[in-house]
Amino acid sequence: EPEVTQTPSHQVTQMGQEVILRCVPISNHLYFYWYRQILGQKVEFLVSFYNNEISEKSEIFDDQFSVERPDGSNFTLKIRSTKLEDSAMYFCASSRLSWNTEAFFGQGTRLTVV
Amino acid sequence: EDQVTQSPEALRLQEGESSSLNCSYTVSGLRGLFWYRQDPGKGPEFLFTLYSAGEEKEKERLKATLTKKESFLHITAPKPEDSATYLCAVTIQGAQKLVFGQGTRLTINP
Repeated sequence: EPEVTQTPSHQVTQMGQEVILRCVPISNHLYFYWYRQILGQKVEFLVSFYNNEISEKSEIFDDQFSVERPDGSNFTLKIRSTKLEDSAMYFCASSRLSWNTEAFFGQGTRLTVV
Repeated sequence: EDQVTQSPEALRLQEGESSSLNCSYTVSGLRGLFWYRQDPGKGPEFLFTLYSAGEEKEKERLKATLTKKESFLHITAPKPEDSATYLCAVTIQGAQKLVFGQGTRLTINP
């Protein structure tokens, strides 16, 4: 069964360092997302992406964040200068048909900023 | 502001004891309502999509229903392996994202 794959599963980084979280969405999906979940809190939307453009972004997704689809399969989230409060699980997701159909999530990258 | 509220926050049941989880929403133009299951340290796993009031979907011991204000996830004769956090999320008109509730943590004791 096709699945969304995220790497790494866990990353520890020093405050102020840049991190890149990587995702391989399901191959025939066209709509891509990043969400995050701080421990014990709800899943929060970061950004949605379609046709090589950002479709919507949240207030969390400030200038420190960027997304890219460098080739036909990968989808990345970059945090330029990490802060302690960026520590969270980051989930990539993809949908096939539209924003209003089911999104399938990866297993997440646990980011710890020290 | 668009809001999704789930209740209860936590629910502990005995194996075989049926119950329901609630998801109420206050949104401007519901497009779809989604139920997910999340195990600790894992990503949300898709369960159901509901698009219109009166719609019902069923899978094994789970049944999801939708009204104009809320959705219920009914669990019939649950087993310990049904223990997880159940998340409700909505898509709304004009938006390209899911808005999640805070989840209900379900524990089924053998």
